[in-house]
Amino acid sequence: SQQGEEDPQALSIQEGENATMNCSYKTSINNLQWYRQNSGRGLVHLILIRSNEREKHSGRLRVTLDTSKKSSSLLITASRAADTASYFCATEPIYNQGGKLIFGQGTELSVKP
Amino acid sequence: DTAVSQTPKYLVTQMGNDKSIKCEQNLGHDTMYWYKQDSKKFLKIMFSYNNKELIINETVPNRFSPKSPDKAHLNLHINSLELGDSAVYFCASSQGGGLTQYFGPGTRLLVL
Repeated sequence: SQQGEEDPQALSIQEGENATMNCSYKTSINNLQWYRQNSGRGLVHLILIRSNEREKHSGRLRVTLDTSKKSSSLLITASRAADTASYFCATEPIYNQGGKLIFGQGTELSVKP
Repeated sequence: DTAVSQTPKYLVTQMGNDKSIKCEQNLGHDTMYWYKQDSKKFLKIMFSYNNKELIINETVPNRFSPKSPDKAHLNLHINSLELGDSAVYFCASSQGGGLTQYFGPGTRLLVL
C-alpha cells in the first residue's frame, strides 16, 4: 500500500526556533492528520485538516494542506524542549474503509535547550 | 483514567511460541485497530474492527488472529512467532472511521 513521505527525516533546532515538517502523499484523501510520538510512548493526535481546508491552527501549531500538490506541512512555532518527539502525518484515503489511516515514516524533531 | 490500555507492555518470547496481547478502551468508541511499528518507526495498520465486526485485514499472515469479544476490547493472538514479528504493536480506537484515533502505549514484542 502507498504511504506518505516526510521530510526531513530528522530535524535539530534550538529552543525558541520554529520547526517545519513536510509530508507528501500519493492518493486522494478525505483528511490528513498529524500525530506526535514521544520516545517509548503511543501516538497522540495533534490536528486534523480536511481536504477542503487549506490551513488550520491549534496553539503553536499551524498546518497547511495543498491537495493539488498532495502535500502538507506542520509548523511548530517557538519550539520548546518538550516538543522533542517524532511527528507523523497520516492520511485517510478517499476510498476509505473502516477508518484506515496511512502513516508517513515520521520526522524526528530534537529541540535543544 | 487510561483511555486505551494494552497488556503486556513488554513481551519477550522464543520463536515458535504463541502469545496474546490485550487491548481495552473506555472511550465508548465503536472502532478499534491494531498497528505494527517496525524498528524504523514505520507504522502500518493490521486490522480494524467496527462493533465487533472485522472491517480491515491488511494482508496480515494467518498466524495473526484478532478477536473482539465486545466493542471495548480487541485482542491480538499470534501463533508460531517468527523473528520478523519483533516490533511494537499499538492498539487504537476511534468513534467511526476517518476521525481522530486514540492510541494505547504499545506492546514491545521481542522474538528470540
